[in-house]
Amino acid sequence: ETGVTQSPTHLIKTRGQQVTLRCSSQSGHNTVSWYQQALGQGPQFIFQYYREEENGRGNFPPRFSGLQFPNYSSELNVNALELDDSALYLCASSLIQGSNYGYTFGSGTRLTVV
Amino acid sequence: AQSVTQLDSQVPVFEEAPVELRCNYSSSVSVYLFWYVQYPNQGLQLLLKYLSGSTLVESINGFEAEFNKSQTSFHLRKPSVHISDTAEYFCAVTKGVTSYGKLTFGQGTILTVHP
Repeated sequence: ETGVTQSPTHLIKTRGQQVTLRCSSQSGHNTVSWYQQALGQGPQFIFQYYREEENGRGNFPPRFSGLQFPNYSSELNVNALELDDSALYLCASSLIQGSNYGYTFGSGTRLTVV
Repeated sequence: AQSVTQLDSQVPVFEEAPVELRCNYSSSVSVYLFWYVQYPNQGLQLLLKYLSGSTLVESINGFEAEFNKSQTSFHLRKPSVHISDTAEYFCAVTKGVTSYGKLTFGQGTILTVHP
């Protein structure tokens, strides 16, 4: 089975710009979540998508938005980038089904805002 | 709201020594618990999980964790560590089927295994 793939792996943007990060879910998974991991911190939940609709959101402003497509791939969009948005962004896909409850993470996109 | 506290930010040990990485959580409802490992410049890999049943769960590479509901803990242990276990370990909790995607993570514990 394929895992979760994210692109790009690294990205440098200027403050005020917009960025789109992409994620392909593990085969058979229908739920995708996005996390922000700042340097030296644990991942923070941004939001989750299920059946192409946002289904839960963490403490992030509206300039963080997302999409989930019919093939369960997903995008994270961040507008008006700020220096504090510099972080590793992780995508996790999941299939909630009994003992298979779990999340598979991608390797992340390292975003640097300068 | 739920929270996770990893009591040690860094744990240095010598190869073949035992290790315990401590994790406490707070939640007013039943939870599912996870340990993830993160190697440098990589994403998170699931180490083990507790959903229900036996409170002692094991991974394929020798780690184990015990769910202790009365102490709200989920400490990770390994009786003999290897150099390759050097990594950052994250404890995480979710409220289960009512909160599918939202994992709450601890701050992480950096395990460094010395030869």
